[in-house]
Amino acid sequence: QKEVEQDPGPLSVPEGAIVSLNCTYSNSAFQYFMWYRQYSRKGPELLMYTYSSGNKEDGRFTAQVDKSSKYISLFIRDSQPSDSATYLCAMSRGSARQLTFGSGTQLTVLP
Amino acid sequence: GAGVSQSPSNKVTEKGKDVELRCDPISGHTALYWYRQRLGQGLEFLIYFQGNSAPDKSGLPSDRFSAERTGESVSTLTIQRTQQEDSAVYLCASSHPGRTTGELFFGEGSRLTVL
Repeated sequence: QKEVEQDPGPLSVPEGAIVSLNCTYSNSAFQYFMWYRQYSRKGPELLMYTYSSGNKEDGRFTAQVDKSSKYISLFIRDSQPSDSATYLCAMSRGSARQLTFGSGTQLTVLP
Repeated sequence: GAGVSQSPSNKVTEKGKDVELRCDPISGHTALYWYRQRLGQGLEFLIYFQGNSAPDKSGLPSDRFSAERTGESVSTLTIQRTQQEDSAVYLCASSHPGRTTGELFFGEGSRLTVL
């Protein structure tokens, strides 16, 4: 079993829809939780970062972490065609420098 | 430089040949990482450098893989006697000391195809 599970999709939504992306994990030692966005043939870029449980909002993006359920989510409001990309969740144990990534969810927002 | 630079962007090689992939991190970033991304999959950690030393090389899949970093700058990932399963995008990332743990800046990757 992988440490981090993520539904690969693909997910296709109409412009303006609310998108929900999710990951589950098995290692309770993870403390830092991130979402990276990766456009086709580009490197991933950090989108959201959260420490421990709770919510964090940045514009149209909201990240949620529920450590008791070992479940993290990314919500995108008023989705735009420019949001079309692969979204990767990632997490780390804090003291360890390496990140453990999910397999990514491919999102397409249709105009 | 403005971002993490990787070369070559694409490499096609024959099975059994050696390849070298280069990464030039953002100036001042002391931490450097190599990841591998197979088609349709997430990123697989290979090795982490802090300065010129590699405190964590636990992700290197076999002794055919090695990496070095010199001058707290450029890093080279070498794959010897390449196999078809080595085909993937090799991503390099760097981070600034004092930044949040998860904030890595990635290059665009070196796409390796082993025939």
